[in-house]
Amino acid sequence: DTEVTQTPKHLVMGMTNKKSLKCEQHMGHRAMYWYKQKAKKPPELMFVYSYEKLSINESVPSRFSPECPNSSLLNLHLHALQPEDSALYLCASSPGPGITSTDTQYFGPGTRLTVL
Amino acid sequence: AQSVTQLDSQVPVFEEAPVELRCNYSSSVSVYLFWYVQYPNQGLQLLLKYLSGSTLVKGINGFEAEFNKSQTSFHLRKPSVHISDTAEYFCAVSDVQGAQKLVFGQGTRLTINP
Repeated sequence: DTEVTQTPKHLVMGMTNKKSLKCEQHMGHRAMYWYKQKAKKPPELMFVYSYEKLSINESVPSRFSPECPNSSLLNLHLHALQPEDSALYLCASSPGPGITSTDTQYFGPGTRLTVL
Repeated sequence: AQSVTQLDSQVPVFEEAPVELRCNYSSSVSVYLFWYVQYPNQGLQLLLKYLSGSTLVKGINGFEAEFNKSQTSFHLRKPSVHISDTAEYFCAVSDVQGAQKLVFGQGTRLTINP
């Protein structure tokens, strides 16, 4: 089973709201990722967690705050977002560095975020 | 650093015709290569990947791709397409040392006409 689940599917929030996106996988993967995808564009990497530690932060604004409570779960906390942050947010997981040299990423269906 | 160029932003094809989606990459180190498909309003699904060995890679849904090191290409092919193949296709590359960083091409929109 190569399933990554994401909730919610859709989210509408105001610029003063605080919300969270959730991602879950039960494949025993030890690396998890957040991507942002604008319309008609490829995904852009935001964060990578390896073995529950933040290993890559692609200079993402602090209004996006990732959290990895355990190896199966990844959250993205949102606060004081701007309308230009509206996008599809994709989560992915992979076996993890050192587990396999390929570290192929498997993606979830995404959360469609609209910031008003 | 790596980069990926998908040479066609849109490819219209008639149903049951063959199709080729082109991908070229640039890298100073050895790479892994991937093709992902994104159906409307969905996430990305892995179609196939090249890691090493045979340069012809077969994937899901009848797709295959050929790695050509001398031309730094990884073109995706299908001998006969179906309406259900209508989607966005992304070519991606990662270097074998930093495999967690995927670099994507801009995508190719494949439209199948009846």
